[in-house]
Amino acid sequence: AVQLVESGGGLVQPKESLKISCAASGFTFSNAAMYWVRQAPGKGLEWVARIRTKPNNYATYYADSVKGRFTISRDDSKSMVYLQMDNLKTEDTAMYYCTAANNYWGQGVMVTVSS
Amino acid sequence: DVVMTQTPVSLSVSLGGQTSISCRSSQSLVHSDGNTYLYWYLQKPGQSPQLLIYKVSNRFSGVPDRFSGSGSGTDFTLKISRVEPEDLGVYYCYQGTHYPFTFGSGTKLEIK
Repeated sequence: AVQLVESGGGLVQPKESLKISCAASGFTFSNAAMYWVRQAPGKGLEWVARIRTKPNNYATYYADSVKGRFTISRDDSKSMVYLQMDNLKTEDTAMYYCTAANNYWGQGVMVTVSS
Repeated sequence: DVVMTQTPVSLSVSLGGQTSISCRSSQSLVHSDGNTYLYWYLQKPGQSPQLLIYKVSNRFSGVPDRFSGSGSGTDFTLKISRVEPEDLGVYYCYQGTHYPFTFGSGTKLEIK
């Protein structure tokens, strides 16, 4: 069965950095575009970033709200996808979901940015 | 950015009844590759979203045929027939055609 397990969330102060991870299993990870989507408490869903596959040069794309601050990456040898978040803002507080090709979703990891 | 406008914001449906949710995009969702990357998700209370429909009208694996998607261009609809208790939650449409990808604001389905 497909499984996506996020980790690395927590409480950080504004302007700090945090890196969250997603471990994938149950499908051919190297063939799947991977995404991060977030959901602020009590709010709707917001697409954050996408990373394509090796044949597509691992191209990356970002929401305007995180461009220049967040970096998505992947390690196909470990079936892992990451989101490096720098210069965090209070408005980045959210549950962060990892998704595989928009089809399968993890349970999410909470990131709280507060002083 | 493509704005996804979902209506209604909420709806209440009787068990066994039928309902539909509308999603309109601010520009055509037809990709240059000919596909239309319009998805429907259901987020049940306390859970992560789950895919129902991909590319307008294709049911994802394991999704009952009570769920159907239709539409083209900028106008899309999700229909739910024979509503069951497990259908409650928030439904989102989502476009994966134009960057940045965007979600609708959600439709909350309650069971009468």
